[in-house]
Amino acid sequence: EAGVAQSPRYKIIEKRQSVAFWCNPISGHATLYWYQQILGQGPKLLIQFQNNGVVDDSQLPKDRFSAERLKGVDSTLKIQPAKLEDSAVYLCASSLVVGAGDTQYFGPGTRLTVL
Amino acid sequence: GQSLEQPSEVTAVEGAIVQINCTYQTSGFYGLSWYQQHDGGAPTFLSYNALDGLEETGRFSSFLSRSDSYGYLLLQELQMKDSASYFCAVGRDGQNFVFGPGTRLSVLP
Repeated sequence: EAGVAQSPRYKIIEKRQSVAFWCNPISGHATLYWYQQILGQGPKLLIQFQNNGVVDDSQLPKDRFSAERLKGVDSTLKIQPAKLEDSAVYLCASSLVVGAGDTQYFGPGTRLTVL
Repeated sequence: GQSLEQPSEVTAVEGAIVQINCTYQTSGFYGLSWYQQHDGGAPTFLSYNALDGLEETGRFSSFLSRSDSYGYLLLQELQMKDSASYFCAVGRDGQNFVFGPGTRLSVLP
C-alpha cells in the first residue's frame, strides 16, 4: 500500500512570493490534514478535510493561506504572499475515517524556507 | 483554551526504561495518542488511549487517566533507534487534533 505522497520535498522562496504544496493521501482515506511544524515544535493543525468538505480550518491564516481538496482525493495548500515566519515543514496526513482514535498516516513533508 | 505539556528532553541508556509524561487541558476530550518522529522524518503512530488504563504494544506501553488529565508513554528495553521526538496528541470532539510540544529522547550507549 502506497503511503501519503507530498511534493515538492523542499522549497526556497523569497518573502512576498507565492508557493503551493501538493498532497496525495492513501487511497480510500476520507480524512486529510495539513499541519505546519516549526522547528522544535509539535505539528499544528492548519486544516482538516472530510472527503472534499472542510471540517476545521480555525487555525488557518486565511488572509494568506488557502487549501482545497477537489474530488475528495488529493489536496493543494497555497501560501500567498509568504512571510519569513512561514518557514516550516508542511506535513500532510490522512486517516481512513474521522475519529480521535483513527491513526493518522503522515507524508514526508515539504520543508519551506522563506528568505 | 487547550494546552498540552511534556518534558522537553529525556536522556536514558540502552536497555533502560523511560517514561514520558503528558498533561493536557482541553474541552471535548476523546482520547490521547502518541507519535514518534525521527529527525527529518514524518511522525508515525505509536498508540491510542480512549479509556483509563494501560495499553501495551511490544516494548511500548501507554497509560491514560482521564480524571487526572494525564497520560504517559513507557518505553522498555531502550534501543539506540528509539532516539527521537515523542509527541502526545489530544483528539477532541472526535475529530480535530492538538499535538503537544514534544519530548526529545536521547538514548546513550
